[in-house]
Amino acid sequence: AQKITQTQPGMFVQEKEAVTLDCTYDTSDPSYGLFWYKQPSSGEMIFLIYQGSYDQQNATEGRYSLNFQKARKSANLVISASQLGDSAMYFCAMREALSGGYNKLIFGAGTRLAVHP
Amino acid sequence: DAMVIQNPRYQVTQFGKPVTLSCSQTLNHNVMYWYQQKSSQAPKLLFHYYDKDFNNEADTPDNFQSRRPNTSFCFLDIRSPGLGDAAMYLCATSRDLGSQETQYFGPGTRLLVL
Repeated sequence: AQKITQTQPGMFVQEKEAVTLDCTYDTSDPSYGLFWYKQPSSGEMIFLIYQGSYDQQNATEGRYSLNFQKARKSANLVISASQLGDSAMYFCAMREALSGGYNKLIFGAGTRLAVHP
Repeated sequence: DAMVIQNPRYQVTQFGKPVTLSCSQTLNHNVMYWYQQKSSQAPKLLFHYYDKDFNNEADTPDNFQSRRPNTSFCFLDIRSPGLGDAAMYLCATSRDLGSQETQYFGPGTRLLVL
């Protein structure tokens, strides 16, 4: 079964509008971390925001916020006041604490966001 | 600024000709990772180093090797590149291996195999 699901292959948004990128995850581990990365056409993976499974409040970083609904196992990224430079691929990822202390980052398939002027 | 640096940004090699990609970090992180990313796909983990301990993913081809001579540097060696190895190669670091640890990525090296 997929661990990270991003159901939106592509999204469009008008400049200055807010947009929500969906992410659902599957884990039985109570300790995990959720991450969002932005990948512009240049290829660099840029870390945006992190949410820990035990965090009581939704994470925020500037125009980025994470709508964390633990019972639904969803971790949607909200970008407020979209800018043209937000056009990129966005990946949701999860790390869970596996036995032996080793875990790896598991990525979703990504959502390509296009911001229109 | 502390960062992850990858050189070169673009690499062209010939079919079967060994190639080495390099990664360095100024974050003083314990863990360094190498990912392969093909067009329109998510990154795929090849292997990682925790300090000097090397961990290979089960499905990483033998054609791919790695070296970490010190904390700051990590190299990806492709012994005999095939056309299917053309991809973006991303290096990443994290302070430790815990589930809460953020991975920071370099800008990547785009490999073209002719």
